[in-house]
Amino acid sequence: QKEVEQNSGPLSVPEGAIASLNCTYSDRGSQSFFWYRQYSGKSPELIMFIYSNGDKEDGRFTAQLNKASQYVSLLIRDSQPSDSATYLCAGPRGGAQKLVFGQGTRLTINP
Amino acid sequence: SAVISQKPSRDICQRGTSLTIQCQVDSQVTMMFWYRQQPGQSLTLIATANQGSEATYESGFVIDKFPISRPNLTFSTLTVSNMSPEDSSIYLCSVEGQGRDYGYTFGSGTRLTVV
Repeated sequence: QKEVEQNSGPLSVPEGAIASLNCTYSDRGSQSFFWYRQYSGKSPELIMFIYSNGDKEDGRFTAQLNKASQYVSLLIRDSQPSDSATYLCAGPRGGAQKLVFGQGTRLTINP
Repeated sequence: SAVISQKPSRDICQRGTSLTIQCQVDSQVTMMFWYRQQPGQSLTLIATANQGSEATYESGFVIDKFPISRPNLTFSTLTVSNMSPEDSSIYLCSVEGQGRDYGYTFGSGTRLTVV
């Protein structure tokens, strides 16, 4: 089982709708998770991190963490064409500070 | 968050040669991380570089192929040795933020093509 696993997608969402990205992880001891956005040809940029069960909101983005079910999700409300990118979920490896990444989900927002 | 300057941004190299990639951080950091991103793939951790000690390599990566230096708390290099076309990837360095800037920041990446 992969340490961090994402729906590989691709995912296509109409403009203005909610995009939902999901990730599961295998290490029950993992404490914090990160969502990155990567535009083509660019390096990943951090969108949000979450370490508590429940929801964390930042503007149009909401991260959700469910430690009992070992999943993390990212919701993007009012999706914009500029949200079209690959989204990467990442979690710590073995409780250490190094991150391991999921496969990424390519999201396309259709005008 | 920390600002990372990575160079070169891209290079085309002959097989059998080596390329050294540099990362400079604008603040002192304990650990620096090196990743590889193969075409169309996600990021794979190569190694963790601590100042004053040997780098720690992940499974599938060895020091002879990817030697790393960490001479001080703001700088690190990754060398890709004896390159083959399979080494064609984007290489990225990363550091962990602290406090309010928590979260890992990436350099701009080095796009390597081996011919």
